[in-house]
Amino acid sequence: AQSVTQLDSQVPVFEEAPVELRCNYSSSVSVYLFWYVQYPNQGLQLLLKYLSGSTLVKGINGFEAEFNKSQTSFHLRKPSVHISDTAEYFCAVTSNSGGSNYKLTFGKGTLLTVNP
Amino acid sequence: NAGVTQTPKFQVLKTGQSMTLQCAQDMNHNSMYWYRQDPGMGLRLIYYSASEGTTDKGEVPNGYNVSRLNKREFSLRLESAAPSQTSVYFCAIRQGVSADTQYFGPGTRLTVL
Repeated sequence: AQSVTQLDSQVPVFEEAPVELRCNYSSSVSVYLFWYVQYPNQGLQLLLKYLSGSTLVKGINGFEAEFNKSQTSFHLRKPSVHISDTAEYFCAVTSNSGGSNYKLTFGKGTLLTVNP
Repeated sequence: NAGVTQTPKFQVLKTGQSMTLQCAQDMNHNSMYWYRQDPGMGLRLIYYSASEGTTDKGEVPNGYNVSRLNKREFSLRLESAAPSQTSVYFCAIRQGVSADTQYFGPGTRLTVL
């Protein structure tokens, strides 16, 4: 079984400031990791994913995340945020073996609010 | 929403009423999932289907039934709705055989009074 902890439930920042949304996971097996974004009153959209290879993963809208196996973390970063980045962000994990049918376990979400 | 449609978009029920949430895909993928989203809880898996005719329980299956009669559609049924089932329900499909990424529909917002 896996679990995901998103360390901050809310993160307020000013426009053009850098931001880091933190995610830690727990798993007894190797994993795939994901970040999804949910804009108000919409469904979830994939931001980026880590499957294997380079531990620095780049996604859409200028976001990137770094997989750190020793610290079991997958923090999301953006060097300069925009008002339009205001949304809720979810970290998710699944076993990479396929035996679990890639069921996702989600964190509870981090609400990013970008202020002018 | 990656070819995933959900109906209805909104629904209000009274306690004890029944209803079916519909999910359909036009991508010919095998795996489909139902999640519920509650404030401060993230998304939790209710049921999933690896292929036509097969379904399995997820983390929070109590009070729900599902049906996967064909590859395209995966329905979620509430036989006797309870206020605790007030939530936003998302259907997702998984692209590819070896992985990995789930794509989500727009959601159904359900209120049980």
